[in-house]
Amino acid sequence: QQQVKQSPQSLIVQKGGISIINCAYENTAFDYFPWYQQFPGKGPALLIAIRPDVSEKKEGRFTISFNKSAKQFSLHIMDSQPGDSATYFCAASLWTGANNLFFGTGTRLTVIP
Amino acid sequence: DAGITQSPRYKITETGRQVTLMCHQTWSHSYMFWYRQDLGHGLRLIYYSAAADITDKGEVPDGYVVSRSKTENFPLTLESATRSQTSVYFCASKTIFTDTQYFGPGTRLTVL
Repeated sequence: QQQVKQSPQSLIVQKGGISIINCAYENTAFDYFPWYQQFPGKGPALLIAIRPDVSEKKEGRFTISFNKSAKQFSLHIMDSQPGDSATYFCAASLWTGANNLFFGTGTRLTVIP
Repeated sequence: DAGITQSPRYKITETGRQVTLMCHQTWSHSYMFWYRQDLGHGLRLIYYSAAADITDKGEVPDGYVVSRSKTENFPLTLESATRSQTSVYFCASKTIFTDTQYFGPGTRLTVL
């Protein structure tokens, strides 16, 4: 059973457009929600993360929006660039020492020049 | 600064053979993790370790064995490989002070 559900599976956006990827979770005990970016042939790398005590976090062109009551969170990429073309994974974890991550199934983003 | 490395990067083996995937980190991170990545499943945790000689199961541990005799190494062994274990395997590590996990470059394993 997938603990974190992610959509869409793939996304094509024009350069300069906004990319939006959505995730939903069921376990209300989750308290850390990171997004990872993965380029082909590489390991995932942390892009941005949020805790449930805030509704939004912005770092440059990347923003996480978090809706605790709906148990949903999303990644917005503003002014999308061809270099943003990658696979994006949302994840969630419980606050324990290990912070074991439960990942979504991934979204392959393609930004067309 | 090597960070976290995995070896081999590519491996082809046959059903029933034993295979060991290596993971080495130079940061002295306490926690280390093994994930497998499969299309349609994202990444799923196989095993993790909080310190040397302390390991615990993740979501999908069946068919895998881990050990951690030294802080910097966390090998993953498939004792009798099956075709369903064909996957890309990622090792990760983190400190006790942060939530961020740092991933290695992955090992692509094919079981024929």
